[in-house]
Amino acid sequence: SQTIHQWPATLVQPVGSPLSLECTVEGTSNPNLYWYRQAAGRGLQLLFYSVGIGQISSEVPQNLSASRPQDRQFILSSKKLLLSDSGFYLCAWSVQWNQPQHFGDGTRLSIL
Amino acid sequence: DQQVKQNSPSLSVQEGRISILNCDYTNSMFDYFLWYKKYPAEGPTFLISISSIKDKNEDGRFTVFLNKSAKHLSLHIVPSQPGDSAVYFCAAQLTQGGSEKLVFGKGTKLTVNP
Repeated sequence: SQTIHQWPATLVQPVGSPLSLECTVEGTSNPNLYWYRQAAGRGLQLLFYSVGIGQISSEVPQNLSASRPQDRQFILSSKKLLLSDSGFYLCAWSVQWNQPQHFGDGTRLSIL
Repeated sequence: DQQVKQNSPSLSVQEGRISILNCDYTNSMFDYFLWYKKYPAEGPTFLISISSIKDKNEDGRFTVFLNKSAKHLSLHIVPSQPGDSAVYFCAAQLTQGGSEKLVFGKGTKLTVNP
């Protein structure tokens, strides 16, 4: 069966520090991969999606970037975090053609 | 511009009764609709979905209804149980460029009282 792992579960970082969040999927090949953010009191907002290695699409302009160095690995990064980057970050995967996206357990990021 | 709206931030029902969660959308190009359930500090868990070519899908206690002309969908939970207490997100899918993008509502917090 397929599983998705995200780490760390929680992270506290100072403003201006770099960020790297990692997500890996097991049990499937060539999944679509997604990064979402849920800010306090808001729904989930799609940040990036990827349909293959090295293929990244950005949905909103922001201080973050994403990379997909391997088929089942998706990384969310920032060179310098802002206070507004605080939130709950979720990675998700799907196979194509009307199959649901499945989410990891998320990373709670707090910027101080 | 919010394309998927859940106008009720919270809902409280008694155990054993029906819970009805509502969702409205604006984009007629959405081709697939999903409901997710989320507990605090966890990722959303897929609950049930419906294709845009159907008007009803049932899975045990959960039924999703789609009214395309009204751009409205709803999730019915019958009978409601205390373990159903969670935040429920409605999501609409847009298929573009070989991938599926989900647009989420802000969620409705359901509380089922024993």
